[in-house]
Amino acid sequence: SQQGEEDPQALSIQEGENATMNCSYKTSINNLQWYRQNSGRGLVHLILIRSNEREKHSGRLRVTLDTSKKSSSLLITASRAADTASYFCATGRTGTASKLTFGTGTRLQVTL
Amino acid sequence: DTEVTQTPKHLVMGMTNKKSLKCEQHMGHRAMYWYKQKAKKPPELMFVYSYEKLSINESVPSRFSPECPNSSLLNLHLHALQPEDSALYLCASSLLGGHEQYFGPGTRLTVT
Repeated sequence: SQQGEEDPQALSIQEGENATMNCSYKTSINNLQWYRQNSGRGLVHLILIRSNEREKHSGRLRVTLDTSKKSSSLLITASRAADTASYFCATGRTGTASKLTFGTGTRLQVTL
Repeated sequence: DTEVTQTPKHLVMGMTNKKSLKCEQHMGHRAMYWYKQKAKKPPELMFVYSYEKLSINESVPSRFSPECPNSSLLNLHLHALQPEDSALYLCASSLLGGHEQYFGPGTRLTVT
């Protein structure tokens, strides 16, 4: 399987704390994306980082990419209860279609 | 309009039934996807369409039959399914060439 691994599998923090999720993958990539999924619903794209980038920010999100280690991390700062969701990394290669391979996911619980 | 719509939201079908899932987007995306997601697992790619032509079939059983009637619509025809096919079926679309994917809310399928 080319599926990536994420850790931790589950993370429980209090509102206001930071949450860090890690993703490892196996193949060469063109880009790595992070998605959020609220319980049993569709996925929402959060951020895309290309293989020639090392760090990217979007609001309270910070993503890093280390292609030599085939790993990425997602940091959510000052978490809110609304951040409670599952988070997936997904690796993609360019071509005529973007074939994404999703990681195993991290379930984040943010409590008040 | 950055929305992908899917109908129905829920579907219960017997193993001898024939049913169809529908997906629609009006973002001008020329790549469309079907994913299958089991509970607490990541989405798994089933099919990819590029310019209304099937470009990737991830060895999906023939009881699943995709169709792309035009650039805005994607169908998944179901026939003689098995109980293990019960899952959340997600549709997505994107620009071609390694961009973020926009997901619909999914169809929750139960095969009895």
